[in-house]
Amino acid sequence: NAGVTQTPKFRILKIGQSMTLQCTQDMNHNYMYWYRQDPGMGLKLIYYSVGAGITDKGEVPNGYNVSRSTTEDFPLRLELAAPSQTSVYFCASRSTTGAGNTIYFGEGSWLTVV
Amino acid sequence: GQSLEQPSEVTAVEGAIVQINCTYQTSGFYGLSWYQQHDGGAPTFLSYNALDGLEETGRFSSFLSRSDSYGYLLLQELQMKDSASYFCAVRESGRDDKIIFGKGTRLHILP
Repeated sequence: NAGVTQTPKFRILKIGQSMTLQCTQDMNHNYMYWYRQDPGMGLKLIYYSVGAGITDKGEVPNGYNVSRSTTEDFPLRLELAAPSQTSVYFCASRSTTGAGNTIYFGEGSWLTVV
Repeated sequence: GQSLEQPSEVTAVEGAIVQINCTYQTSGFYGLSWYQQHDGGAPTFLSYNALDGLEETGRFSSFLSRSDSYGYLLLQELQMKDSASYFCAVRESGRDDKIIFGKGTRLHILP
């Protein structure tokens, strides 16, 4: 049962570097999300996608980009990393049928920008 | 705008009952969910309410009042393993059907 898989789990970036957080799900879910969670805080929605080829901004999209070329994959791109992007990033997915109210989260990616 | 309010921390004794409240203000509303997150882990789904009333799942129950834009999570027979953060989340109605989370309530359980 793979569910939602994120890589890498940990990463240290220097200011100004770029990187991509990978996310893939094997549940054939249409909806996918990227959230960030700062220490002791809640989850902020960065970007989301309602299906392949469709993406939209969430609450805190600045400094990030996404793409959704397939149903399974939803990578998050950080351009010109800044210390404010130090956070834990969670990818998640949700079905639009059946138990469509349940979000399944990946294990998280811990990112530090120094 | 959209906002969800829940207490930042709650403390209870092992074996007791605790209630975590959530009030919300959103532009559209499908339902209210609750998630549990242990330190260092990912959030996991606990319950979902779309209609007014109480939903029970084992030791956990969740309540919704749509007219009051209010819900709560009730945890009974508290165990030490219930020490975690609990998030309410609103599924917004509309074209994109977003899910927005509250800031979370840290539950401390005393022996």
